[in-house]
Amino acid sequence: DGGITQSPKYLFRKEGQNVTLSCEQNLNHDAMYWYRQDPGQGLRLIYYSQIVNDFQKGDIAEGYSVSREKKESFPLTVTSAQKNPTAFYLCASRERPYNEQFFGPGTRLTVL
Amino acid sequence: AQTVTQSQPEMSVQEAETVTLSCTYDTSESDYYLFWYKQPPSRQMILVIRQEAYKQQNATENRFSVNFQKAAKSFSLKISDSQLGDAAMYFCAYRSAIHGEYGNKLVFGAGTILRVKS
Repeated sequence: DGGITQSPKYLFRKEGQNVTLSCEQNLNHDAMYWYRQDPGQGLRLIYYSQIVNDFQKGDIAEGYSVSREKKESFPLTVTSAQKNPTAFYLCASRERPYNEQFFGPGTRLTVL
Repeated sequence: AQTVTQSQPEMSVQEAETVTLSCTYDTSESDYYLFWYKQPPSRQMILVIRQEAYKQQNATENRFSVNFQKAAKSFSLKISDSQLGDAAMYFCAYRSAIHGEYGNKLVFGAGTILRVKS
């Protein structure tokens, strides 16, 4: 089945630790996105990548980093510089030039 | 910058009845796309319906339809014959048609929780 997978579903981290969230897609989509969702708010864009080996900052990139070494994979690292990392993180992909973004199931990150 | 506003934090509807969720947006662009996404308790984001701004005809997908008023910058979602499975958070989203610096990101509203009563 084609789709987007994110792992793990739940992630716990101690303050001061970096953690990496996985996002993999087998849809052959060019563009991939990372969003953050907080209670009472819509999704906000962290980073996006339109092609392999290229990525750009979104609206709230501070404290996060990404890589895009393969078309299928777009991992997100939440660094210790991120002040409020506890949130729900969603990965999405899009086949250009079409418009719909398809989302993965998300990862819930909790900082203890 | 574009903004999307959903003024109804929560809505309730009786099973089999019709409900309308409101969305307004602000943009200076003339060409763009609008979407409604559904997020059930599983938190999986599911595309419900989309509308191209250049099309005057309102989009429909089975029980879901939109009322797109471009001049008023309004994009409401109507759900007919509501079912228990429609209970979810619904997000309105905007995307520019211009290839811009954000890779054509989606701009989301804050969401509306829809409760369906049996």
